[in-house]
Amino acid sequence: NAGVTQTPKFRILKIGQSMTLQCAQDMNHNYMYWYRQDPGMGLKLIYYSVGAGITDKGEVPNGYNVSRSTTEDFPLRLELAAPSQTSVYFCASSLRAGGTEAFFGQGTRLTVV
Amino acid sequence: GIQVEQSPPDLILQEGANSTLRCNFSDSVNNLQWFHQNPWGQLINLFYIPSGTKQNGRLSATTVATERYSLLYISSSQTTDSGVYFCAVGGGSNYKLTFGKGTLLTVNP
Repeated sequence: NAGVTQTPKFRILKIGQSMTLQCAQDMNHNYMYWYRQDPGMGLKLIYYSVGAGITDKGEVPNGYNVSRSTTEDFPLRLELAAPSQTSVYFCASSLRAGGTEAFFGQGTRLTVV
Repeated sequence: GIQVEQSPPDLILQEGANSTLRCNFSDSVNNLQWFHQNPWGQLINLFYIPSGTKQNGRLSATTVATERYSLLYISSSQTTDSGVYFCAVGGGSNYKLTFGKGTLLTVNP
């Protein structure tokens, strides 16, 4: 099983550019999440979705946007990239909110220069 | 929100040694997961263990939910065990996992 798939794995952006990080899951999970991991730290939640058409902000949403048009896909959009967005981004999914295991993608390492 | 503290922050072992990593959390949880982040940055699910004890090969984990802690045991460590071990917890219908800062494990040959 593929599980959670993220693309691309690596990307370098110039300040002010935009890009979309792709995330797809094939487990028919309702909940999907975007986290970022800064050096030496744990992961912090950017945005999450409880199902197609429903998204909400996490702890650190500024500078990002998301959409969820299907159960499988949950892209993360960066507008006007800034050096502070240099990080590793992880997408995750779970069947429901509480009390179920979350599964993570392989991560996208983004550098903004 | 829930606070998560992991200890020790760093651990250096010789191959073959055993170790215990600890995760303390500040509130009741219904989700607790242990992850291994390998040197390539991948997050590997080790255990989903909101309570009780589980074992998988050389690794085992115990969560005592009433006392708000979890332990990850690594026996006969190997160099491939090196990396960062994260504990992450979630409570009630909370949609997110709260991560600790991790334990950096280095296993030397």
